[in-house]
Amino acid sequence: DTAVSQTPKYLVTQMGNDKSIKCEQNLGHDTMYWYKQDSKKFLKIMFSYNNKELIINETVPNRFSPKSPDKAHLNLHINSLELGDSAVYFCASSQDPGTSGLHNEQFFGPGTRLTVL
Amino acid sequence: EDQVTQSPEALRLQEGESSSLNCSYTVSGLRGLFWYRQDPGKGPEFLFTLYSAGEEKEKERLKATLTKKESFLHITAPKPEDSATYLCAVQAVDNFNKFYFGSGTKLNVKP
Repeated sequence: DTAVSQTPKYLVTQMGNDKSIKCEQNLGHDTMYWYKQDSKKFLKIMFSYNNKELIINETVPNRFSPKSPDKAHLNLHINSLELGDSAVYFCASSQDPGTSGLHNEQFFGPGTRLTVL
Repeated sequence: EDQVTQSPEALRLQEGESSSLNCSYTVSGLRGLFWYRQDPGKGPEFLFTLYSAGEEKEKERLKATLTKKESFLHITAPKPEDSATYLCAVQAVDNFNKFYFGSGTKLNVKP
């Protein structure tokens, strides 16, 4: 009955490789997000999708490409991995406040620890 | 620019020693302020949402308060299981899909 799930949990790869991280939520939420958390625990938003439409695209290298096949899934593909991409990547989801009133707190997945060697 | 600053970065308490964590924010119209708890190796876990100055929310030993410039997370008589990193995030009225996070306060409660 996991609310937001991510795979894989750990990802170790060489520089220059291409990798993907998958995320699924079973909460019926309209909006999904990708965050990057650095070693200082700072969570920075990368992308946000609302009903499969990209609504937030922060200053992220275009090597990062999100894809939302449906509103329950949001995947992140990373091309040509670099050392600086090493971090923990979190997926999150929230309800659109337009349909739920005020409450649109985010629910996070368990994270994917990416290590680029 | 919208931003969130949390202090202190780290806090060590003895079991039973009450204290407060601070979250100062600058946002162009606050829609909501959120507190999360993050345990090592896990994703942030939602605790509270506060929407307007003067609002307070409580859960067990935690109480969150909000003013126009900052929020406090008060921890009363903490236990070792309260040890975690506490994150604060704000959401602006003009973009409710964007959340700005602080870098967190790492709390360590010793028995």
